[in-house]
Amino acid sequence: KAGVTQTPRYLIKTRGQQVTLSCSPISGHRSVSWYQQTPGQGLQFLFEYFSETQRNKGNFPGRFSGRQFSNSRSEMNVSTLELGDSALYLCASSLGPSSYNEQFFGPGTRLTVL
Amino acid sequence: GQQVMQIPQYQHVQEGEDFTTYCNSSTTLSNIQWYKQRPGGHPVFLIQLVKSGEVKKQKRLTFQFGEAKKNSSLHITATQTTDVGTYFCAGPGNNNDMRFGAGTRLTVKP
Repeated sequence: KAGVTQTPRYLIKTRGQQVTLSCSPISGHRSVSWYQQTPGQGLQFLFEYFSETQRNKGNFPGRFSGRQFSNSRSEMNVSTLELGDSALYLCASSLGPSSYNEQFFGPGTRLTVL
Repeated sequence: GQQVMQIPQYQHVQEGEDFTTYCNSSTTLSNIQWYKQRPGGHPVFLIQLVKSGEVKKQKRLTFQFGEAKKNSSLHITATQTTDVGTYFCAGPGNNNDMRFGAGTRLTVKP
């Protein structure tokens, strides 16, 4: 069974631009969660989608948004990029809600904002 | 709000020594999950604990969930170089989002 895939793996943007990251979950998984990982802040929860509905959202500004499609694939968008948005963005899929199911993480997208 | 604290932040051990990382929550958790992230890699699920006082073992790894379901620990017996990485605990927050501890970075000297 294929694992969680994320595209692109690396991305360089400049301040003010926007970016869209993609995540394909493991086949059959209905939940996709997104996390931001930085050396100083660790793993911070962004949001979770379950069956195309946003289940919950972390403490991030409205510039961070996401969606999930009917095939469970998910995208996250960051508008008006700031230098502080440079981070590794990880998505994780699970059979059901992440709060009580094993999460499978993708390799991440390394975003650098210049 | 609910926080998941993890200590220590770093642990350097000689190969063969034991290692323990501790996780504490400000609120009772319905469950706790543990993940391992190798350098340059992504978090990989190790285990989930659900019951009060639960103890689970995976070879040299022993996981415990406290009686009050507010703390947990991961103990590695006789560390090996393959144990190198960052160990995270995670528990559901009030919003059912998974809150990760800051992680304990383990280095093992051969």
